[in-house]
Amino acid sequence: QQQVKQSPQSLIVQKGGISIINCAYENTAFDYFPWYQQFPGKGPALLIAIRPDVSEKKEGRFTISFNKSAKQFSLHIMDSQPGDSATYFCAASSAGGTSYGKLTFGQGTILTVHP
Amino acid sequence: DVKVTQSSRYLVKRTGEKVFLECVQDMDHENMFWYRQDPGLGLRLIYFSYDVKMKEKGDIPEGYSVSREKKERFSLILESASTNQTSMYLCASSSLPGQAFFGQGTRLTVV
Repeated sequence: QQQVKQSPQSLIVQKGGISIINCAYENTAFDYFPWYQQFPGKGPALLIAIRPDVSEKKEGRFTISFNKSAKQFSLHIMDSQPGDSATYFCAASSAGGTSYGKLTFGQGTILTVHP
Repeated sequence: DVKVTQSSRYLVKRTGEKVFLECVQDMDHENMFWYRQDPGLGLRLIYFSYDVKMKEKGDIPEGYSVSREKKERFSLILESASTNQTSMYLCASSSLPGQAFFGQGTRLTVV
């Protein structure tokens, strides 16, 4: 049972375009929603994150949009660059109880940005 | 910089072997995690530990065990390796919920 569902599985974008990756979650106890970026041969690294008390967070060319009622969030990459080509994972976490901040990940999206 | 180091980048083991994957972190983090990464499935949590000698099962613990004798070190053990355990294994540590630092991964092939 996948508690965090991510789409699309792969995405091809031209340089300068907008990349959009979508995620949906089921567990309403989740209260932290990070995105991780993974380059080939490397482990995932935290890219940007949002809490459910805000609807949008922007860091440079990366923006998270969050819809609490729909239990959905998305990553937008503006002015996509070839160096953004990587695998992106959405994730969800809960700070409370006995979760100890463990992450539940989506299936991943392989982004390719063509020059 | 936080550093999470996994002992091997690549491993090839035979079916039935006992396999040890080692992970060390240098930031005094309380929480450590083992995930496996498979195409189309994302990262799935195998086990995690929130303190020395403490461990909790994740979503797919069957066929695995873990050991945490020191705060900085978290080991994943495949009791009897099988071909369906061929995968990329990722260790992570964190002190804040959801903010994990990952190692570079160990690609394990069981033949």
